[in-house]
Amino acid sequence: AQKVTQAQTEISVVEKEDVTLDCVYETRDTTYYLFWYKQPPSGELVFLIRRNSFDEQNEISGRYSWNFQKSTSSFNFTITASQVVDSAVYFCALSEGDNYGQNFVFGPGTRLSVLP
Amino acid sequence: ETGVTQTPRHLVMGMTNKKSLKCEQHLGHNAMYWYKQSAKKPLELMFVYSLEERVENNSVPSRFSPECPNSSHLFLHLHTLQPEDSALYLCASSQAGGATTIYFGEGSWLTVV
Repeated sequence: AQKVTQAQTEISVVEKEDVTLDCVYETRDTTYYLFWYKQPPSGELVFLIRRNSFDEQNEISGRYSWNFQKSTSSFNFTITASQVVDSAVYFCALSEGDNYGQNFVFGPGTRLSVLP
Repeated sequence: ETGVTQTPRHLVMGMTNKKSLKCEQHLGHNAMYWYKQSAKKPLELMFVYSLEERVENNSVPSRFSPECPNSSHLFLHLHTLQPEDSALYLCASSQAGGATTIYFGEGSWLTVV
């Protein structure tokens, strides 16, 4: 069965600090997809990134970067020089096999507070 | 205009009321979803419609009734709810089939009094 663990329930940092959000997943499939979503206080889950299991290249997008390591079943998310607007709940998600939408499994989320 | 819009954004209803949540997607997708997000609980998938047919119903109580008249619109009809049904209800859409990404609306905050 697939499972996503986000061990950090809440993190607080001061603005301009770097912060890493951890995500560990479990799956028996060799083909799977990993996602990160951001949920600001308004409620909408905003899609940030999708990676497939065959692409272990790290990705950088502005202040955001993602480190995918199959050897440790982790897909960690780092925010560099954090800003107050980064305050949100961040969800990691996994979808196995053919990646049908109904097969998504979300982690419990990590609440990030960036203090001015 | 956002890709997935939900109305109303906030709803307060009594336990004997009947109300509906509405969702519309402008992304050309053909699968739509209802999720429930309660405090301190993981996201719960409630219903999935793919190509306008319901493909999954995760044992949701019958007081929640979905309707998908076409691939762009999704409703969640609510009747005789309980206070524990108070939550954020999120609508989402995607392409049906494999290798998809789900896109969410802003959610409808429901309070049952």
